[in-house]
Amino acid sequence: DSGVTQTPKHLITATGQRVTLRCSPRSGDLSVYWYQQSLDQGLQFLIQYYNGEERAKGNILERFSAQQFPDLHSELNLSSLELGDSALYFCASSVGVGGNQPQHFGDGTRLSIL
Amino acid sequence: AQSVTQLGSHVSVSEGALVLLRCNYSSSVPPYLFWYVQYPNQGLQLLLKYTTGATLVKGINGFEAEFKKSETSFHLTKPSAHMSDAAEYFCAVTGGSNYKLTFGKGTLLTVNP
Repeated sequence: DSGVTQTPKHLITATGQRVTLRCSPRSGDLSVYWYQQSLDQGLQFLIQYYNGEERAKGNILERFSAQQFPDLHSELNLSSLELGDSALYFCASSVGVGGNQPQHFGDGTRLSIL
Repeated sequence: AQSVTQLGSHVSVSEGALVLLRCNYSSSVPPYLFWYVQYPNQGLQLLLKYTTGATLVKGINGFEAEFKKSETSFHLTKPSAHMSDAAEYFCAVTGGSNYKLTFGKGTLLTVNP
């Protein structure tokens, strides 16, 4: 158990819809990262937050947004969903922002778009 | 920019045999390197990491990896494979002011009885 909690574990929805994925980081971790894992793209970094502020952006679509709340949990919002958004979405957390600090991953949310 | 190349998308070994999973990286700054393992329907679990210091790093479950700067490699090894080692393994790199993990495409390890 990594200590990172993601909900829900599975989401099935239709094209054009909007969903929210939730992540609770490990106790004491201030950084939260979101990654997307798909068969064709592999594991891709989406976005990072540190103590409530956005720190880095990766290959995140404009239809996607995220935030980190004062209690440090984070939400990833995906809107106008397309078939290609079907993927496994991971949240990871680390103590700080240093690249040398290991990131601990949750079990992911599997998103299926019908 | 950073990148990771994992040679061999699928490696098959016999139980008790040596496991060698290859990882080469590219980084314009001193890298921090990680190996993660992913079991079916689970998240990524950290196996080991190299940040600074000793270039041979030991991780969980008997795995180790050696950082070789001259070869830009960080290969993962285990002397004797166990059935429970069957999983997908990912090599990743960060470095400098880049906090995101850049992953390789993964190597699926199969262990045959």
